[in-house]
Amino acid sequence: EAGVTQFPSHSVIEKGQTVTLRCDPISGHDNLYWYRRVMGKEIKFLLHFVKESKQDESGMPNNRFLAERTGGTYSTLKVQPAELEDSGVYFCASSSRRSNYGYTFGSGTRLTVV
Amino acid sequence: DQQVKQNSPSLSVQEGRISILNCDYTNSMFDYFLWYKKYPAEGPTFLISISSIKDKNEDGRFTVFLNKSAKHLSLHIVPSQPGDSAVYFCAAMNTGFQKLVFGTGTRLLVSP
Repeated sequence: EAGVTQFPSHSVIEKGQTVTLRCDPISGHDNLYWYRRVMGKEIKFLLHFVKESKQDESGMPNNRFLAERTGGTYSTLKVQPAELEDSGVYFCASSSRRSNYGYTFGSGTRLTVV
Repeated sequence: DQQVKQNSPSLSVQEGRISILNCDYTNSMFDYFLWYKKYPAEGPTFLISISSIKDKNEDGRFTVFLNKSAKHLSLHIVPSQPGDSAVYFCAAMNTGFQKLVFGTGTRLLVSP
């Protein structure tokens, strides 16, 4: 089966601009997660979708971040306007309802805000 | 407030020897623990997990030990191979919330 696909793999934008990251989960996976790793630190949870519904968005840093999952398939994460501290690697992961919690992660999008 | 800690940023071992990676946690509500392996420019890959009702889980060369009273878990790799060289992340969750809390990772280097 195809894995979790994220694009772009890299994005460099100026402070104040808008960036949209996309994640295509494994087909049939109801659960979709966004995580972020900043400056080589720990990987931190951002939010969790079950199908098209936001199950938990407690990790979203502020209202400059907007995540959507229309139709319960792919998801987008928009940052508007981007700030310097938003730089990092954004990972998407997906799992089925019967998984053993070993989520499948994508390769990530490295975002650099200059 | 880091709930999952990996105090060793790096570890070097020789091929064929045992690698022991350690992880400590503070939240007693965690009931499931996982280890992920990460190569550069790739996402984390699930390696092995353990439920809080167990104290050991084994999968081939990989064994995870859990000491709930000490809030400590460890990953043993025996024998270590050069292909095991990667960053290893410890993660924990409360299964009621399905939100992984990660440590900062330990970079393992296995030399031939």
